[in-house]
Amino acid sequence: GAVVSQHPSRVICKSGTSVKIECRSLDFQATTMFWYRQFPKKSLMLMATSNEGSKATYEQGVEKDKFLINHASLTLSTLTVTSAHPEDSSFYICSAREGGRDFNEQFFGPGTRLTVL
Amino acid sequence: GQNIDQPTEMTATEGAIVQINCTYQTSGFNGLFWYQQHAGEAPTFLSYNVLDGLEEKGRFSSFLSRSKGYSYLLLKELQMKDSASYLCAVMDSNYQLIWGAGTKLIIKP
Repeated sequence: GAVVSQHPSRVICKSGTSVKIECRSLDFQATTMFWYRQFPKKSLMLMATSNEGSKATYEQGVEKDKFLINHASLTLSTLTVTSAHPEDSSFYICSAREGGRDFNEQFFGPGTRLTVL
Repeated sequence: GQNIDQPTEMTATEGAIVQINCTYQTSGFNGLFWYQQHAGEAPTFLSYNVLDGLEEKGRFSSFLSRSKGYSYLLLKELQMKDSASYLCAVMDSNYQLIWGAGTKLIIKP
C-alpha cells in the first residue's frame, strides 16, 4: 500500500523558534497533500491543502504567515511553524492523495508531536 | 453548516460485536470513510462507501444510507487490539474530508 512518512516524529523547541516538519510520499506521487492538527481527544482539523507547484489553500482561521507550507515536488511537502508558541503545541498530521485514484483515498503520515516550551 | 455526529465512547466485550453509528450533514457527498486511530498515532484507513449498502472486509463492515445521511461501522469478533478511536469522515463537494470527533472504543476481556 501507499506509504507516507513524516519527520520528525517528535520535536521539542523553545518559544520563538521555528520548526520544520517534512511529509513524504514514499512509493507514489502525491498530487495533493493535506496538513492537519489534532488536539487531545479532538478530531482532526484541516489546516491547509497544497497541490504540487502551487500555493497552499489555508482553512479559515489558520495563519498562513505562521504556518508556511511548501509543496515543491510530487513527493515532498513541508510545514514550517514560525515563531512557535506554547499554544502551537499539538499533533500535526499530513496526508497525501494520489492523483487518479478511484475514491480519492488519503494516506496518512505517522504524525509529528510538537511541544513548545 | 457541515456536521458529523458519532458517539463519544463505547464499551464492548472481547469476542462480541459492536456497531458504531455516524450521521452526517454536509455540502455535497463524495464518499464516507472510516478510519481507526490508536492513541498517539495517525489514522489508518478502514473502509470507504460511496453507494448505499454494506461493504464487508474481514471482521469489519461498513454500511451507508445516503438518503438518511447515515453510516455504521460493524466490528465482529472483537479483539483487545481493536481498542482505539474510530473516525467517520465525509468527503464533501469540494473533495475535502469533514471529520467526526471520533468514537473511543474500549474492549474489555
